[in-house]
Amino acid sequence: DVKVTQSSRYLVKRTGEKVFLECVQDMDHENMFWYRQDPGLGLRLIYFSYDVKMKEKGDIPEGYSVSREKKERFSLILESASTNQTSMYLCASSYRGRGGTEAFFGQGTRLTVV
Amino acid sequence: AQKITQTQPGMFVQEKEAVTLDCTYDTSDPSYGLFWYKQPSSGEMIFLIYQGSYDQQNATEGRYSLNFQKARKSANLVISASQLGDSAMYFCAMRGDNAGNMLTFGGGTRLMVKP
Repeated sequence: DVKVTQSSRYLVKRTGEKVFLECVQDMDHENMFWYRQDPGLGLRLIYFSYDVKMKEKGDIPEGYSVSREKKERFSLILESASTNQTSMYLCASSYRGRGGTEAFFGQGTRLTVV
Repeated sequence: AQKITQTQPGMFVQEKEAVTLDCTYDTSDPSYGLFWYKQPSSGEMIFLIYQGSYDQQNATEGRYSLNFQKARKSANLVISASQLGDSAMYFCAMRGDNAGNMLTFGGGTRLMVKP
């Protein structure tokens, strides 16, 4: 059974803290994604990685960074958490290439910054 | 840059009727894929259907079909014979094949099926 696992389901952090969200996939996928989901705004892409150590900015990268040192792991880092980063964060992975290679999602991390 | 627009924030449909969820897209990539996902209240993302930009026929998967109109840049999802379990958020997404496989989502449509 394919799996994308996010390290935490719920997280509460203080303003100014450095926050790490971890995502691991066991499907040998090249592509990995981080999205945040807010009501009325859908899923907005924060960062995308298509290979180890490779990353591309999505639509809303400000305030975030990412790390991909191993193929199966993609980390999202909030350098200094702020209350406007309170959101649901979704990680996804997919094979690289054309065709109907759909993305598989983790269960999400609901982050609250207080 | 690629963009997905879903203009219906919420919709109601009577059980057993068909419903169409709208999706329009914009991209400069000549080759791309279009996807629909369902997100029930449990939060999981469930892949429903895929359409490639060069596919000649509209995609179908059981009760789901994709009305793909390339010239109009639309990829509407049609759900036939709605069931109560179809109540969920629905997201349209696009992957540009020459844009490094970046996957972009729309704002979603909340579908509510009435008994």
